Amino acid sequence: KAGVTQTPRYLIKTRGQQVTLSCSPISGHRSVSWYQQTPGQGLQFLFEYFSETQRNKGNFPGRFSGRQFSNSRSEMNVSTLELGDSALYLCASSLVGQGNSGANVLTFGAGSRLTVL
Amino acid sequence: AQSVTQLDSHVSVSEGTPVLLRCNYSSSYSPSLFWYVQHPNKGLQLLLKYTSAATLVKGINGFEAEFKKSETSFHLTKPSAHMSDAAEYFCVVSGARGAAGNKLTFGGGTRVLVKP
Repeated sequence: KAGVTQTPRYLIKTRGQQVTLSCSPISGHRSVSWYQQTPGQGLQFLFEYFSETQRNKGNFPGRFSGRQFSNSRSEMNVSTLELGDSALYLCASSLVGQGNSGANVLTFGAGSRLTVL
Repeated sequence: AQSVTQLDSHVSVSEGTPVLLRCNYSSSYSPSLFWYVQHPNKGLQLLLKYTSAATLVKGINGFEAEFKKSETSFHLTKPSAHMSDAAEYFCVVSGARGAAGNKLTFGGGTRVLVKP
């Protein structure tokens, strides 16, 4: 069973550019979440998508956006890149699960490491 | 609101000795709790999870954790460290009962160094 696949694994952008990251969840998983990991802020929740709808959103500016397609694949986009956006962006998928349920286990991809110069 | 505090940012142990990683949580509801491990340049791997069943939870690679509601703790232990355990470990709390979605709140991480 294939895991969560994120592309690209590494990329370098300059300030002001935009970037799109892709995530393919485990087959059958309908929830896709995105997290940003930086040395200073640690792991922070960006947003979650389920059945093509954003279900949860973290405290990030509107420059960070995402979407989910009918096949559950997800993309996130960051516009007008800033130096502080340099981070490892992790995608995670899970089965349908809500609240205090064991189905809430998230499986993470290896991440996309973004460097903004 | 929920939060997680990992009490040690770095832990150094000798190979073959016990490992203890401390985690305290705060949650308005009975939480789901997890430990994840991250090896260098890799994603996060689930070690174990607590979801209101047995308070002593066994995970992969010989790790286990005990949920103590009275102490709001979920410490991770392993009886004998192996060199391959060198990694960063994250204590994580999941959403409140009945809350929609899979929003996780991560602790700051504990980096484990294993000395030969």
